[in-house]
Amino acid sequence: EVQVVESGGGLVQPGRSLRLSCAAAGFTFDDYAMHWVRQAPGKGLEWVSGISWNSGSIGYADSVKGRFTISRDNAKNSLYLQMNSLRTEDTALYYCAKERSGWWALDYWGQGALVTVSS
Amino acid sequence: EIVLTQSPGTLSLSPGERATLSCRASQGVSSSHLAWYRQKPGQAPRLLIYGASSRATGIPDRFSGSGSGTDFTLTISRLEPEDFAVYYCQHYGSSLTFGGGTKVEIK
Repeated sequence: EVQVVESGGGLVQPGRSLRLSCAAAGFTFDDYAMHWVRQAPGKGLEWVSGISWNSGSIGYADSVKGRFTISRDNAKNSLYLQMNSLRTEDTALYYCAKERSGWWALDYWGQGALVTVSS
Repeated sequence: EIVLTQSPGTLSLSPGERATLSCRASQGVSSSHLAWYRQKPGQAPRLLIYGASSRATGIPDRFSGSGSGTDFTLTISRLEPEDFAVYYCQHYGSSLTFGGGTKVEIK
């Protein structure tokens, strides 16, 4: 069974940093691109960042470029999101999602990690 | 950057009725890069349709997708109780873009 489980969320002050992790299981992790998608309270979905299977291709939304860094460790079946210079508008539920090759879509999602940026 | 506009914002229907949801792109996009998701309250999104018209694994045939160019449609032939939720379209280009969502609520 495919599973992706996020961790590392919490309450953080503006300007501080936080690192999210996503543990994957039930599929060959290093065969697939992975993404982070966030959802602010009561709002819609916003793509944050994506990384190819070998980390050779990485992309970011303009809203986080220069502040967030995505990475992966295929030996540990894990995806990460390093978030620096956090702002109140970064408050959201952060989902880790697996990309389905050739479908141009995200076929498995975790339950999310809540990040609250507040003083 | 492509913008996806979904309409209507809210759709009020009864169980058993047909739902038609629209997703319009700000410029023409490849159908193979257009997907639809359903998000129930308190849950993560679930992939319904990829490639504009192909159902994802385990998705019942009451869900169908169509369209090309700038106009795409998700149709639910007969609404079941679990279908009252929010639906998002998504385009995969140089980045991923989501529409603003359509909420299907019980009338």
